[in-house]
Amino acid sequence: DQQVKQNSPSLSVQEGRISILNCDYTNSMFDYFLWYKKYPAEGPTFLISISSIKDKNEDGRFTVFLNKSAKHLSLHIVPSQPGDSAVYFCAASAYGSARQLTFGSGTQLTVLP
Amino acid sequence: EPEVTQTPSHQVTQMGQEVILRCVPISNHLYFYWYRQILGQKVEFLVSFYNNEISEKSEIFDDQFSVERPDGSNFTLKIRSTKLEDSAMYFCASSVMVGATGELFFGEGSRLTVL
Repeated sequence: DQQVKQNSPSLSVQEGRISILNCDYTNSMFDYFLWYKKYPAEGPTFLISISSIKDKNEDGRFTVFLNKSAKHLSLHIVPSQPGDSAVYFCAASAYGSARQLTFGSGTQLTVLP
Repeated sequence: EPEVTQTPSHQVTQMGQEVILRCVPISNHLYFYWYRQILGQKVEFLVSFYNNEISEKSEIFDDQFSVERPDGSNFTLKIRSTKLEDSAMYFCASSVMVGATGELFFGEGSRLTVL
């Protein structure tokens, strides 16, 4: 079941530069998308979300872009900091599913000092 | 800052034994969930719980699994007869919003190892 796909298992970026993490989905019923960050031995931590009625949502250094026609979303982190190094999960939810999230496989982001 | 707490952090059990994983959700939250992550695989939805009953469950959540909110604070996941393939990190989560939006807050997870 590959309803939510993160095709890049890892990404390395220099401190201060932009990190772009990508996510694709196949289920047209998904209408709410989230990004979570996960450190080892911890649970996922919510970062940012976007509803399908929007194409962009911004929160500080984090911006999520949604392209519904392409069924693609991306997370931009600007500027990247070493503390951002973690696994980033894309997740999606469909209306009426009582928050049943479908997760991607994650992308390990490493921000190099 | 309020958080979701889970116990135990790690449990080792023999195949066929019963296991109960415990969670204390954030106090004003209304929805409760269990997810799991088998090593090297995706985080997978197991079950959601609202108003003292299961709202949704996945195919993974078969008759060997059950959830309960025995009092006003705890939310438990029971695996009646564990199998080797139940070895995973189990995450409890809670959310305050009713409906499709609203973020989930996850606990740190309980690692279950079935021998």
